[in-house]
Amino acid sequence: DVKVTQSSRYLVKRTGEKVFLECVQDMDHENMFWYRQDPGLGLRLIYFSYDVKMKEKGDIPEGYSVSREKKERFSLILESASTNQTSMYLCASSGDPLTSDTQYFGPGTRLTVL
Amino acid sequence: AQSVTQPDIHITVSEGASLELRCNYSYGATPYLFWYVQSPGQGLQLLLKYFSGDTLVQGIKGFEAEFKRSQSSFNLRKPSVHWSDAAEYFCAVGAGSSNTGKLIFGQGTTLQVKP
Repeated sequence: DVKVTQSSRYLVKRTGEKVFLECVQDMDHENMFWYRQDPGLGLRLIYFSYDVKMKEKGDIPEGYSVSREKKERFSLILESASTNQTSMYLCASSGDPLTSDTQYFGPGTRLTVL
Repeated sequence: AQSVTQPDIHITVSEGASLELRCNYSYGATPYLFWYVQSPGQGLQLLLKYFSGDTLVQGIKGFEAEFKRSQSSFNLRKPSVHWSDAAEYFCAVGAGSSNTGKLIFGQGTTLQVKP
């Protein structure tokens, strides 16, 4: 089974702090994704990566950056956290040739910025 | 541009009743289509997917979905709902030929099950 893990289930940070959210997948997938999920807005893509050191902006990249130094790990960085970044963050991976675009999700990190 | 619409934001059904969740998509070619389920506080779990072939696909937990090209729909069905099916359901469409694996998600439908 594909396993996608996220470093924290719950995180509380203060405004202005630098925040790192880590995601690790164990299936050698090429593609990795970061979404945020807010009530009534569904899933919105922040950034994705289709190879090591490659990244592309999603629909809402402002205020975020990402890092993919190793194939299995994709980090989301909030350079200076703000209260409007309080949300559920979901990581996903895909790229198994047999399952094509099927994305496999981690359990999510609920971030609260005070 | 690709898009996915789930017309029903919230649905309530009685336990044991049948269920149909609607999904309409907009895409120029043959899409890859997915249904995911999310229990409260959890990540998304794949229920089923359609890539090609038989337009009626079976998934986990007794769910099925039918791809209707003429209606641009991929509705999710279950003949008899269980209380544990209460969750949020997301329909998604992928480009298939894309090498980035991006999916476009609908806004989600929240299912409530009455005892």
